[in-house]
Amino acid sequence: DTAVSQTPKYLVTQMGNDKSIKCEQNLGHDTMYWYKQDSKKFLKIMFSYNNKELIINETVPNRFSPKSPDKAHLNLHINSLELGDSAVYFCASSKEGGGQPQHFGDGTRLSIL
Amino acid sequence: GDSVTQMEGPVTLSEEAFLTINCTYTATGYPSLFWYVQYPGEGLQLLLKATKADDKGSNKGFEATYRKETTSFHLEKGSVQVSDSAVYFCALTIGGTSYGKLTFGQGTILTVHP
Repeated sequence: DTAVSQTPKYLVTQMGNDKSIKCEQNLGHDTMYWYKQDSKKFLKIMFSYNNKELIINETVPNRFSPKSPDKAHLNLHINSLELGDSAVYFCASSKEGGGQPQHFGDGTRLSIL
Repeated sequence: GDSVTQMEGPVTLSEEAFLTINCTYTATGYPSLFWYVQYPGEGLQLLLKATKADDKGSNKGFEATYRKETTSFHLEKGSVQVSDSAVYFCALTIGGTSYGKLTFGQGTILTVHP
């Protein structure tokens, strides 16, 4: 009965490859997010979707493309992976509107060789 | 823009010591404030929150009070345990068109020794 689940948990791949990370939430939330956590633990929002519509895109390179097939899913596809993409990526969800707490997945650790 | 500043870590304490982690913020609107905790190898968990001035959030012995006059939301616990060892994040969100985007502080690593 995991609330926010991400797959895979670990992703090791070569520079230049394309990869996807999947996220699903079973909380009935309308809003989903992707965050990036760097090696110093700093967290920064990348994208936010509300009811399958892109709301926030925080100057993320075009190589990153989120896709939301329905309210419960928000996937992240990354093209032409670069060394600097190595990080932990977290998916989160919340009810619509400000002031709502967000529920996070366990993260996907992406390592670029 | 909005920002959150936490005290520099890491913080190392002995079990049963008193904990304070300072957090101050700047915000363009009227924020809701949160503390999240990240245990090793896990995602972030909401620890506590406060949505308006003078509100006190509390959970698992941790407390933080929303101080609008000092733009602060310091985290405190009277007696820490080894199991409290984790990374703690202060964060804010503002309603309206931001759709709940969380702005995080840099995180404070807490290590508690027996």
